[in-house]
Amino acid sequence: DGGITQSPKYLFRKEGQNVTLSCEQNLNHDAMYWYRQDPGQGLRLIYYSQIVNDFQKGDIAEGYSVSREKKESFPLTVTSAQKNPTAFYLCASSRALYQPQHFGDGTRLSIL
Amino acid sequence: KNEVEQSPQNLTAQEGEFITINCSYSVGISALHWLQQHPGGGIVSLFMLSSGKKKHGRLIATINIQEKHSSLHITASHPRDSAVYICAVRGFGNEKLTFGTGTRLTIIP
Repeated sequence: DGGITQSPKYLFRKEGQNVTLSCEQNLNHDAMYWYRQDPGQGLRLIYYSQIVNDFQKGDIAEGYSVSREKKESFPLTVTSAQKNPTAFYLCASSRALYQPQHFGDGTRLSIL
Repeated sequence: KNEVEQSPQNLTAQEGEFITINCSYSVGISALHWLQQHPGGGIVSLFMLSSGKKKHGRLIATINIQEKHSSLHITASHPRDSAVYICAVRGFGNEKLTFGTGTRLTIIP
């Protein structure tokens, strides 16, 4: 079955460390997205990629970085510059930018 | 003020009841999405609307463009419908979605 796989489901980070969240899709979608979800807030867009080797900042890109070297993969790195990284992170993909998005099951990141 | 407002924030109902969740938005949009987030966190896209009404099984979504309002209805609700329902809108010429904070629905057997 096609879908989006995010790993790990739970992730712990020490202060000052970078950490990378994995997102893989086998839906043959061109567009991929990273969102952050905090309690009581709507999802907020971190980065998105319309096509391989291209990505754009979303609304809250500071302290995050991404790469899109392969169509099926869009890893997100939470850097030490992100001062409040504890959140639930969701990856999504769509055939194209304006199409309905398919979501992964998310990764919950916590600071030790 | 969030551009997308959902009501109610929390809703508890008995199994079998007819459920309505509302979404109001403040800007002109090209499309509105309804999403379902399960207790584990995964999200499923339910509907994408730009006008009128859509139906899928026991779920019905409607949108009134003039009033900038959409509703999600669930008929014959079931405990497995318990989830957070999220409304999201896309403005004209904007590739990004703006999300509401969600409505937490609990259906009691």
